[in-house]
Amino acid sequence: DQQVKQNSPSLSVQEGRISILNCDYTNSMFDYFLWYKKYPAEGPTFLISISSIKDKNEDGRFTVFLNKSAKHLSLHIVPSQPGDSAVYFCAAMSNSNSGYALNFGKGTSLLVTP
Amino acid sequence: DAMVIQNPRYQVTQFGKPVTLSCSQTLNHNVMYWYQQKSSQAPKLLFHYYDKDFNNEADTPDNFQSRRPNTSFCFLDIRSPGLGDTAMYLCATSRLYQETQYFGPGTRLLVL
Repeated sequence: DQQVKQNSPSLSVQEGRISILNCDYTNSMFDYFLWYKKYPAEGPTFLISISSIKDKNEDGRFTVFLNKSAKHLSLHIVPSQPGDSAVYFCAAMSNSNSGYALNFGKGTSLLVTP
Repeated sequence: DAMVIQNPRYQVTQFGKPVTLSCSQTLNHNVMYWYQQKSSQAPKLLFHYYDKDFNNEADTPDNFQSRRPNTSFCFLDIRSPGLGDTAMYLCATSRLYQETQYFGPGTRLLVL
Protein backbone atom coordinates (compact mmCIF):
# COMPACT_ATOMS: atom_id res chain seq x y z
CA ASP A 1 0.00 0.00 0.00
CA GLN A 2 1.24 3.42 -0.95
CA GLN A 3 1.62 5.49 2.20
CA VAL A 4 2.95 8.54 0.37
CA LYS A 5 1.04 9.80 -2.64
CA GLN A 6 1.87 12.34 -5.27
CA ASN A 7 -1.32 12.56 -7.27
CA SER A 8 -0.01 14.77 -10.06
CA PRO A 9 2.33 12.81 -12.34
CA SER A 10 3.34 15.97 -14.16
CA LEU A 11 3.26 19.75 -13.91
CA SER A 12 4.17 22.45 -16.40
CA VAL A 13 4.99 25.99 -15.26
CA GLN A 14 6.33 29.06 -16.99
CA GLU A 15 9.74 30.38 -16.04
CA GLY A 16 9.49 32.97 -13.27
CA ARG A 17 6.17 31.69 -11.95
CA ILE A 18 5.57 29.62 -8.84
CA SER A 19 5.68 25.81 -8.96
CA ILE A 20 3.64 23.99 -6.33
CA LEU A 21 4.15 20.27 -5.92
CA ASN A 22 1.82 18.40 -3.60
CA CYS A 23 2.16 15.29 -1.48
CA ASP A 24 -0.26 13.43 0.79
CA TYR A 25 0.50 10.72 3.32
CA THR A 26 -1.58 8.26 5.27
CA ASN A 27 0.67 7.16 8.14
CA SER A 28 0.29 9.43 11.15
CA MET A 29 3.55 8.01 12.58
CA PHE A 30 5.60 9.81 9.94
CA ASP A 31 7.55 12.58 11.63
CA TYR A 32 10.06 13.71 9.03
CA PHE A 33 9.52 14.62 5.42
CA LEU A 34 11.96 15.17 2.59
CA TRP A 35 11.88 16.31 -1.01
CA TYR A 36 14.28 14.89 -3.54
CA LYS A 37 14.96 16.06 -7.07
CA LYS A 38 15.96 13.62 -9.80
CA TYR A 39 17.40 14.32 -13.22
CA PRO A 40 17.39 11.56 -15.88
CA ALA A 41 20.21 9.03 -15.47
CA GLU A 42 21.08 10.39 -12.02
CA GLY A 43 20.15 9.37 -8.51
CA PRO A 44 17.77 11.42 -6.35
CA THR A 45 19.38 14.52 -4.84
CA PHE A 46 18.24 15.82 -1.47
CA LEU A 47 16.50 19.18 -1.77
CA ILE A 48 14.80 20.20 1.46
CA SER A 49 13.20 18.61 4.52
CA ILE A 50 10.87 19.39 7.37
CA SER A 51 10.27 17.93 10.79
CA SER A 52 6.73 17.30 11.98
CA ILE A 53 7.20 19.85 14.77
CA LYS A 54 7.35 22.60 12.15
CA ASP A 55 4.89 23.78 9.54
CA LYS A 56 7.29 25.58 7.22
CA ASN A 57 10.90 25.37 6.16
CA GLU A 58 12.54 27.66 3.65
CA ASP A 59 15.80 27.40 1.74
CA GLY A 60 16.34 30.01 -0.93
CA ARG A 61 13.78 29.56 -3.68
CA PHE A 62 12.40 26.39 -2.08
CA THR A 63 9.82 26.29 0.70
CA VAL A 64 8.12 23.23 2.13
CA PHE A 65 4.82 23.54 3.98
CA LEU A 66 3.44 20.83 6.25
CA ASN A 67 -0.19 20.50 7.31
CA LYS A 68 -0.25 17.67 9.80
CA SER A 69 -3.99 17.68 10.36
CA ALA A 70 -4.56 17.21 6.63
CA LYS A 71 -1.55 14.89 6.25
CA HIS A 72 -0.42 17.06 3.40
CA LEU A 73 2.78 18.77 2.40
CA SER A 74 3.74 20.91 -0.51
CA LEU A 75 6.92 22.20 -2.12
CA HIS A 76 6.91 25.73 -3.49
CA ILE A 77 9.57 26.87 -5.95
CA VAL A 78 9.69 30.62 -6.51
CA PRO A 79 10.69 31.77 -9.05
CA SER A 80 10.79 28.65 -11.20
CA GLN A 81 13.76 28.26 -13.54
CA PRO A 82 14.27 25.95 -16.54
CA GLY A 83 16.99 24.12 -14.57
CA ASP A 84 14.32 23.10 -12.07
CA SER A 85 12.84 20.76 -14.68
CA ALA A 86 13.18 17.31 -13.09
CA VAL A 87 11.21 14.65 -11.26
CA TYR A 88 10.45 15.57 -7.65
CA PHE A 89 9.93 12.86 -5.07
CA CYS A 90 8.27 13.36 -1.73
CA ALA A 91 9.49 11.00 1.02
CA ALA A 92 8.49 10.39 4.60
CA MET A 93 9.94 8.51 7.51
CA SER A 94 9.15 7.53 11.05
CA ASN A 95 12.04 7.74 13.48
CA SER A 96 10.48 4.93 15.46
CA ASN A 97 11.57 2.54 12.69
CA SER A 98 15.08 1.20 12.83
CA GLY A 99 17.26 2.43 10.00
CA TYR A 100 15.04 5.31 8.96
CA ALA A 101 13.40 3.72 5.92
CA LEU A 102 12.21 6.35 3.47
CA ASN A 103 8.72 5.90 2.05
CA PHE A 104 8.59 7.55 -1.35
CA GLY A 105 5.82 8.85 -3.55
CA LYS A 106 5.86 8.04 -7.26
CA GLY A 107 7.14 11.46 -8.18
CA THR A 108 5.94 14.52 -10.07
CA SER A 109 7.66 15.50 -13.29
CA LEU A 110 8.09 19.28 -13.38
CA LEU A 111 8.68 21.09 -16.65
CA VAL A 112 9.60 24.76 -16.50
CA THR A 113 9.20 26.41 -19.87
CA PRO A 114 10.97 29.61 -20.95
CA ASP B 1 34.14 15.14 -3.66
CA ALA B 2 32.50 12.81 -1.18
CA MET B 3 29.98 10.67 -2.98
CA VAL B 4 28.07 7.44 -3.50
CA ILE B 5 29.25 5.41 -6.50
CA GLN B 6 27.39 2.56 -8.13
CA ASN B 7 28.75 0.05 -10.63
CA PRO B 8 27.85 -0.87 -13.20
CA ARG B 9 25.48 1.86 -14.33
CA TYR B 10 23.73 -0.54 -16.71
CA GLN B 11 23.53 -4.30 -16.47
CA VAL B 12 21.84 -6.80 -18.74
CA THR B 13 21.46 -10.35 -17.52
CA GLN B 14 19.59 -13.44 -18.54
CA PHE B 15 16.68 -14.92 -16.68
CA GLY B 16 18.06 -17.00 -13.80
CA LYS B 17 21.68 -15.86 -14.17
CA PRO B 18 23.05 -14.45 -10.89
CA VAL B 19 24.05 -10.82 -10.89
CA THR B 20 25.89 -8.60 -8.39
CA LEU B 21 25.55 -4.83 -8.14
CA SER B 22 28.04 -2.79 -6.17
CA CYS B 23 27.95 0.41 -4.21
CA SER B 24 30.77 2.34 -2.60
CA GLN B 25 30.81 5.53 -0.58
CA THR B 26 33.39 8.06 0.49
CA LEU B 27 31.06 9.76 2.98
CA ASN B 28 32.03 7.42 5.84
CA HIS B 29 28.37 6.95 6.72
CA ASN B 30 27.30 4.17 9.10
CA VAL B 31 24.10 3.27 7.30
CA MET B 32 23.75 1.96 3.75
CA TYR B 33 20.51 1.18 1.94
CA TRP B 34 19.37 -0.59 -1.22
CA TYR B 35 16.20 0.55 -2.95
CA GLN B 36 14.45 -0.91 -5.98
CA GLN B 37 12.58 1.42 -8.33
CA LYS B 38 10.46 -0.06 -11.09
CA SER B 39 9.27 2.02 -14.02
CA SER B 40 6.87 4.80 -12.95
CA GLN B 41 6.92 3.52 -9.37
CA ALA B 42 8.23 4.88 -6.11
CA PRO B 43 11.62 3.66 -4.87
CA LYS B 44 11.09 0.79 -2.43
CA LEU B 45 13.51 -0.14 0.34
CA LEU B 46 14.89 -3.68 0.08
CA PHE B 47 17.22 -3.69 3.08
CA HIS B 48 19.72 -1.61 4.98
CA TYR B 49 22.86 -2.00 7.04
CA TYR B 50 23.76 -0.17 10.21
CA ASP B 51 27.48 -0.87 10.17
CA LYS B 52 27.44 -4.66 9.73
CA ASP B 53 24.00 -5.13 11.26
CA PHE B 54 21.74 -6.28 8.42
CA ASN B 55 18.04 -5.36 8.35
CA ASN B 56 15.75 -6.95 5.80
CA GLU B 57 12.39 -5.44 4.88
CA ALA B 58 9.57 -7.91 5.49
CA ASP B 59 8.51 -8.14 1.86
CA THR B 60 11.95 -8.31 0.24
CA PRO B 61 12.13 -11.55 -1.77
CA ASP B 62 14.60 -14.20 -0.62
CA ASN B 63 16.14 -13.98 -4.08
CA PHE B 64 17.77 -10.73 -2.98
CA GLN B 65 20.81 -10.85 -0.72
CA SER B 66 23.31 -8.27 0.40
CA ARG B 67 26.85 -8.09 1.72
CA ARG B 68 28.74 -5.30 3.40
CA PRO B 69 32.39 -6.33 3.78
CA ASN B 70 33.46 -2.95 5.15
CA THR B 71 32.16 0.57 5.81
CA SER B 72 32.75 1.73 2.26
CA PHE B 73 31.26 -1.08 0.20
CA CYS B 74 27.90 -2.77 -0.09
CA PHE B 75 26.77 -5.38 -2.64
CA LEU B 76 23.37 -6.47 -3.86
CA ASP B 77 23.22 -10.07 -5.08
CA ILE B 78 20.25 -11.32 -7.06
CA ARG B 79 20.57 -15.09 -7.05
CA SER B 80 18.11 -15.99 -9.80
CA PRO B 81 16.81 -12.87 -11.50
CA GLY B 82 13.30 -12.97 -12.91
CA LEU B 83 11.80 -10.71 -15.55
CA GLY B 84 10.04 -8.81 -12.77
CA ASP B 85 13.39 -7.78 -11.29
CA THR B 86 14.02 -5.41 -14.18
CA ALA B 87 14.34 -2.08 -12.40
CA MET B 88 16.63 0.72 -11.25
CA TYR B 89 18.56 -0.21 -8.12
CA LEU B 90 19.53 2.72 -5.92
CA CYS B 91 22.11 2.69 -3.17
CA ALA B 92 21.94 5.32 -0.44
CA THR B 93 23.85 6.21 2.71
CA SER B 94 23.21 8.21 5.83
CA ARG B 95 24.77 9.03 9.15
CA LEU B 96 23.27 7.31 12.13
CA TYR B 97 20.45 9.40 13.63
CA GLN B 98 20.46 11.67 10.57
CA GLU B 99 17.36 11.51 8.41
CA THR B 100 18.84 12.66 5.11
CA GLN B 101 19.90 9.88 2.78
CA TYR B 102 22.36 10.44 -0.05
CA PHE B 103 21.84 8.47 -3.21
CA GLY B 104 24.11 7.10 -5.87
CA PRO B 105 23.26 7.37 -9.58
CA GLY B 106 21.69 3.92 -9.64
CA THR B 107 22.20 0.75 -11.66
CA ARG B 108 19.62 0.05 -14.33
CA LEU B 109 19.14 -3.72 -14.53
CA LEU B 110 17.46 -5.43 -17.45
CA VAL B 111 16.57 -9.11 -17.15
CA LEU B 112 15.95 -10.86 -20.47
